[in-house]
Amino acid sequence: NAGVTQTPKFQVLKTGQSMTLQCAQDMNHEYMSWYRQDPGMGLRLIHYSVGAGITDQGEVPNGYNVSRSTTEDFPLRLLSAAPSQTSVYFCASALGSHNSPLHFGNGTRLTVT
Amino acid sequence: EDKVVQSPLSLVVHEGDTVTLNCSYEVTNFRSLLWYKQEKKAPTFLFMLTSSGIEKKSGRLSSILDKKELFSILNITATQTGDSAIYLCAVKARSGGGADGLTFGKGTHLIIQP
Repeated sequence: NAGVTQTPKFQVLKTGQSMTLQCAQDMNHEYMSWYRQDPGMGLRLIHYSVGAGITDQGEVPNGYNVSRSTTEDFPLRLLSAAPSQTSVYFCASALGSHNSPLHFGNGTRLTVT
Repeated sequence: EDKVVQSPLSLVVHEGDTVTLNCSYEVTNFRSLLWYKQEKKAPTFLFMLTSSGIEKKSGRLSSILDKKELFSILNITATQTGDSAIYLCAVKARSGGGADGLTFGKGTHLIIQP
């Protein structure tokens, strides 16, 4: 089982560029989410999805878009990158959104210059 | 606003010591509390606690929840250098709080010296 797979592992962008962080899971999990992790801030929720075709905003959604066209994939799009979006991004999935623990991908380290 | 506070934020001990990590929380409609271990990459799941006073145990790690006093502790006995990591506490609420009801603390950075 691959679990939760994130690509790329590292990315450097210039201010204003756009890109998509990919996330795929092979566990047939209904729930998927994106977090960013910054020093001293902990993990903060960006967007989440409780199933295909359904997405919703988390704590820090500005500057990011998501879509969930299939159960397996949950890409995160940066529309116009800003230095404030320099962070480590984690995708996570769970069997349901209630009492199931999250399974995390290995993260994407993004630097915006 | 839901809140999860972990202490200490960092801790350095010697191999063989026992450590206790703390997590206190303020959430509306508590559902569960989860502990994760984060080494260099992805956080990995350790425990989920939903009931007060019932200890969860896995090898040298154990955790317990006090829903009356709104805290949990994570104990690690006979620590090893491989226990060095950031330990994350997260609380899941039935609604509200973080948009999906999961709020993370900032983590405790544990360093085990040989």
